[in-house]
Amino acid sequence: GQQVMQIPQYQHVQEGEDFTTYCNSSTTLSNIQWYKQRPGGHPVFLIQLVKSGEVKKQKRLTFQFGEAKKNSSLHITATQTTDVGTYFCAAFSGAGSYQLTFGKGTKLSVIP
Amino acid sequence: DGGITQSPKYLFRKEGQNVTLSCEQNLNHDAMYWYRQDPGQGLRLIYYSQIVNDFQKGDIAEGYSVSREKKESFPLTVTSAQKNPTAFYLCASSIGGRGNQPQHFGDGTRLSIL
Repeated sequence: GQQVMQIPQYQHVQEGEDFTTYCNSSTTLSNIQWYKQRPGGHPVFLIQLVKSGEVKKQKRLTFQFGEAKKNSSLHITATQTTDVGTYFCAAFSGAGSYQLTFGKGTKLSVIP
Repeated sequence: DGGITQSPKYLFRKEGQNVTLSCEQNLNHDAMYWYRQDPGQGLRLIYYSQIVNDFQKGDIAEGYSVSREKKESFPLTVTSAQKNPTAFYLCASSIGGRGNQPQHFGDGTRLSIL
């Protein structure tokens, strides 16, 4: 079935540093979603990317969808302690599938 | 205030026992999902339902069963056949049943073995 690789698994940054997580698929995707899960919480939807090469921004967060629609990235500028949590990508192939496939997530720790 | 309610928050299972996790939503969403989360494993799909009275197996359905008799409710039963049930279980819903809709999650149920 669909496989989604997400790297790195863990990232520790000093507050104010930038952070990036990458998501890669072996197949072309219809769309990709990003979720954030705070420690002890549940995943919360952040954004969906649909178009090839699409770039979307939410304040300090920048989301990109690759030109070939096989990869995506989430970049956080100048991390804050409120950014702590696990970031998941979730891929939808659209090819007769009705389910999202989640990456294993990147756990972000921010050192004050 | 719309949302997804999962209960209980913590659940303990004895050997050979079936347990049922509750999931209720008042978002008027057609699709509902059950995921299992283990440390470092991300979310793995157990079962999903696109519409009332219909559901499909996900990637790890063995040892689990579901029902979808009402639009608002999608209970998950962890049967004794599931040999490693200790995990964090998350219920989610979305407007439509295809993977191009955002999913809304409940607060989860932590299941442990006694």
